[in-house]
Amino acid sequence: AQSVTQLGSHVSVSEGALVLLRCNYSSSVPPYLFWYVQYPNQGLQLLLKYTTGATLVKGINGFEAEFKKSETSFHLTKPSAHMSDAAEYFCAVSDDPGNTPLVFGKGTRLSVIA
Amino acid sequence: DARVTQTPRHKVTEMGQEVTMRCQPILGHNTVFWYRQTMMQGLELLAYFRNRAPLDDSGMPKDRFSAEMPDATLATLKIQPSEPRDSAVYFCASAIYEQYFGPGTRLTVT
Repeated sequence: AQSVTQLGSHVSVSEGALVLLRCNYSSSVPPYLFWYVQYPNQGLQLLLKYTTGATLVKGINGFEAEFKKSETSFHLTKPSAHMSDAAEYFCAVSDDPGNTPLVFGKGTRLSVIA
Repeated sequence: DARVTQTPRHKVTEMGQEVTMRCQPILGHNTVFWYRQTMMQGLELLAYFRNRAPLDDSGMPKDRFSAEMPDATLATLKIQPSEPRDSAVYFCASAIYEQYFGPGTRLTVT
């Protein structure tokens, strides 16, 4: 069975500081990996995804994530936090996202301090 | 810009009442998922369909929840009778190569 662990239910950073949200996964097959963002009282927006190929994936709003197979990790980073980045972030894994369910982590709430 | 739509966006109801949530998948997407989001459990799968046929509904309480796809343009999730513990946000997602999420239905059962 697949699983996702997000380290840290709440991360707080200063505006302009590096954002690092951690995600580790477990999968018996090559995984497809996703990061979603959820703003208060809104739905899930896809930030970025890893399918195959380049292990460094760039997404929207300046975020990127690196797939590290040896570490079973897919950490999300952004060089400089902006106030508008404050939201809940979810990491998810699937072996075939068009046909099988996503398995989500518990989420990490990002706060950005002015 | 094709999107998944869900209705209603918000629903407040009393315990014991029937609740029906609707989802219109993106045209051409043959797989539809229902997820539930709660503070305690996070995002969890309730059920999913391919070509309107149910593939897995093991995440749903069988005695009160039911999910159907009457046609390719409509998926429904019904709760009867509703209970306060059903209060959550219910998301529908349709998929062809990846999943596209609707805005969710926020259900409050008092």
